[in-house]
This record gives sequence, structure tokens and C-alpha cells, in this order.
Amino acid sequence: GIQVEQSPPDLILQEGANSTLRCNFSDSVNNLQWFHQNPWGQLINLFYIPSGTKQNGRLSATTVATERYSLLYISSSQTTDSGVYFCAVRGGGADGLTFGKGTHLIIQP
Amino acid sequence: KAGVTQTPRYLIKTRGQQVTLSCSPISGHRSVSWYQQTPGQGLQFLFEYFSETQRNKGNFPGRFSGRQFSNSRSEMNVSTLELGDSALYLCASSLEGIPGNTIYFGEGSWLTVV
Repeated sequence: GIQVEQSPPDLILQEGANSTLRCNFSDSVNNLQWFHQNPWGQLINLFYIPSGTKQNGRLSATTVATERYSLLYISSSQTTDSGVYFCAVRGGGADGLTFGKGTHLIIQP
Repeated sequence: KAGVTQTPRYLIKTRGQQVTLSCSPISGHRSVSWYQQTPGQGLQFLFEYFSETQRNKGNFPGRFSGRQFSNSRSEMNVSTLELGDSALYLCASSLEGIPGNTIYFGEGSWLTVV
């Protein structure tokens, strides 16, 4: 099945810093989403982005489908941005969304 | 517009028992999918239902089953519970299914098997 690799696995930043999270996938996809998992476990949808670029406030994402990677940018980080960020894709014959292992982001005040 | 609603939020069961979890999708969404999250295996796809039919199934034993009702609400059942079934079970809904549609998740049901 399709493989999803996220990097870095852990990231510690000071408030106000910018960050880039990466997601590599091994096959063509027909769905790619970025999620933020809050401390209570809920996956909050950030972007649906199987290709192209989108922006929402301080967050933006870019997927280069031909090169099989996606990037999530967080600018001017706030402590509330802390948590785990997941990339999830569907493709390569898989039936559901395949998730990466996530990037654990800690924003220190 | 209400989001995806899952019940119960927390539950504790004993090995060998069975459990049923419920999911109400966003109004108008016809697809419901289920995922299991554990510290060791991460997030794994269980199954997807669309218009009361199971459309896709992940690599889980037959003890895991589900169904979808005519109002798109879904239930999943785990029989003969094992300690390893302790997990966060997440339900997601979308308009028409996973390909090409944004998936929205509920808050999850935390299951502990003792």
C-alpha cells in the first residue's frame, strides 16, 4: 500500500517562529489532507490539498503531486499551535486514508 | 451546522465483552468511515460506509464490524474484546466518500479494555 512519511517527528520552537512540516508519499493520490490533533484527540481538518497551494490565516500548504510531497507552513507560531500534525492520503490502491506518524510540535512561550 | 458526533465519549469494558460505538455524520453527508488510533500502530482505517453499504474495509479481524442506517448514522461493533483493542476510535464523514472530498472527524470514543 501507499507509504506516508512525515518529518520532522518532533519540533520545538519559540513563540513567533515559523515552521515547515513535510509529508512524502509513495504513490499518486486522490485525497491529501492535513490535520491538527487537539489534546482531547479530535482531528481538526486544516487543508484538503491533493495538489496546489492554499492559505488560511497563518497557515498555508503546498502539494506538488508530481513529486509526491506536501508542505505545511505555520507562520508566527502561537502556543495554541502545539499538538500533533498529521498528513493523510488516499491512493496507491488503498481504500481509506493512510496517515503518517505525525509531527509533534511544541511552541514554547 | 453540527459536526460529527460520536457516542459514548469514554467507556471501559472487560475482556471478552462486546462494544458498540455510534456516529452521527454532518447533515447531508452520506459517507462515514471509521479509524482506530493506538500509540503503537498510529491511525488505521477500519471501514467506510456509503448509502448503507460497506464500500471499503481495512485490515482488521472479523471481530470488527459496522453498519450504516438510512439516515447515514453509523455504528461499529467490536466483539470478544481484547486488551489490544484499547484505543481511540474516530469516526469521519464526507459528502460522497474519501476520494475527492474533505473528510471531517468527530471527537472520538476512548475505549479501555481491562
